Amino acid sequence: EVQLVESGGDLVQPGGSLRLSCAASGFSVSTNYMSWVRQAPGKGLEWVSVIYSGGSAYYADSVKGRFTISRHISKNTLYLQMNSLRADDTAVYYCARSQAAEFYYGMDVWGQGTTVTVSS
Amino acid sequence: DIQMTQSPSSLSASVGDRVTITCRTSQSISRYLNWYQQKPGKAPTLLIFGSSSLQSGVPSRFSGSGSGTDFTLTISSLQPEDFATYYCQQTYSIPLFGPGTKVDIK
Repeated sequence: EVQLVESGGDLVQPGGSLRLSCAASGFSVSTNYMSWVRQAPGKGLEWVSVIYSGGSAYYADSVKGRFTISRHISKNTLYLQMNSLRADDTAVYYCARSQAAEFYYGMDVWGQGTTVTVSS
Repeated sequence: DIQMTQSPSSLSASVGDRVTITCRTSQSISRYLNWYQQKPGKAPTLLIFGSSSLQSGVPSRFSGSGSGTDFTLTISSLQPEDFATYYCQQTYSIPLFGPGTKVDIK
């Protein structure tokens, strides 16, 4: 079964760091584009970052320089390292798979989400 | 940067109604437009990709159309399980979601 399971969400103080994990099964995280998408409480969806099948990574302006996406192919796991966290980073974070090695076909598999709360 | 709008931001409808949601972009994105459904507390699910291609397993009452800057999602006959929030997403450049349209029960 194709599945994504996120973990690592927590309560963290402003300025702190956190690493989210997304364990994939049923496919390889190196084959498809893999993204992180977040949703602040009561708000819409915000794309955060992507890692391409070739390994290139891109970020939303709101997280550039603070967040780093990576993957461990043998563990078949996607990561999001989040540093210098701010209150407006508070959100449910989803990992999502693009249906092919490009964005055109949409994000067809999503995890259940993990909650990050940034507060003192 | 590409800007996205959706209209309406919310609507009330009855079971059996035909519902149309519009998504507009600030510049042409060809057909790089996807639609998602999200229910409260759940992850989004992909309905339509490439403006008009129905994702596998999605009921045929959902359809999408458009190209360039104007796109629509149509639900031909609203069912109880369709009450949710719908988001468009452009993938012509770095992905961006529209602000969403909440469909609730009249």
